[in-house]
Amino acid sequence: EAGVAQSPRYKIIEKRQSVAFWCNPISGHATLYWYQQILGQGPKLLIQFQNNGVVDDSQLPKDRFSAERLKGVDSTLKIQPAKLEDSAVYLCASSLDLAGGTDTQYFGPGTRLTVL
Amino acid sequence: GIQVEQSPPDLILQEGANSTLRCNFSDSVNNLQWFHQNPWGQLINLFYIPSGTKQNGRLSATTVATERYSLLYISSSQTTDSGVYFCAVEDSGNTGKLIFGQGTTLQVKP
Repeated sequence: EAGVAQSPRYKIIEKRQSVAFWCNPISGHATLYWYQQILGQGPKLLIQFQNNGVVDDSQLPKDRFSAERLKGVDSTLKIQPAKLEDSAVYLCASSLDLAGGTDTQYFGPGTRLTVL
Repeated sequence: GIQVEQSPPDLILQEGANSTLRCNFSDSVNNLQWFHQNPWGQLINLFYIPSGTKQNGRLSATTVATERYSLLYISSSQTTDSGVYFCAVEDSGNTGKLIFGQGTTLQVKP
């Protein structure tokens, strides 16, 4: 079974530029998560989708971050414009279904973003 | 919101030693998972353990939900066990949203 795929693996941009990350979850997984992990900290949930609907985006900085999962499969996370404090690893995860959170979450390798 | 605290923050072991990592959480939870983040950043799920005890090879975990803590045991540690161990709990919203602790950084020396 293929795991969660993410691209690119690394990205370096200057502040005020835009960037987009892509995630393809495990086949058949209804729920998709985007996390932000700042160096030295645990991951923090940015947004959660079930199929193509948003379940939780309470911690997404909506003035600059956006995410979509149009066909309920792969997803894109965008930052526009980027700030220095957005430097982090962006992790995508998926789980089989919502089901009260009883499913294991499987993580992709992450995208390491550096904002200069 | 729910708080998750892990201890110790850092741990250095000699290969072959045993260790116990602890996770305390501030409220009742539906879901608790332990993850290992390897030096390349990949997060691997170790256990889904909202209560009780599970074992997988040299690793085992116990969650005492009524006392709001979980323990991860590593026996006969190997250098490949190095990395960061995270405890994550599902918040009370029952949506699957995980709240992560700050992690325990483990270094196993040969």
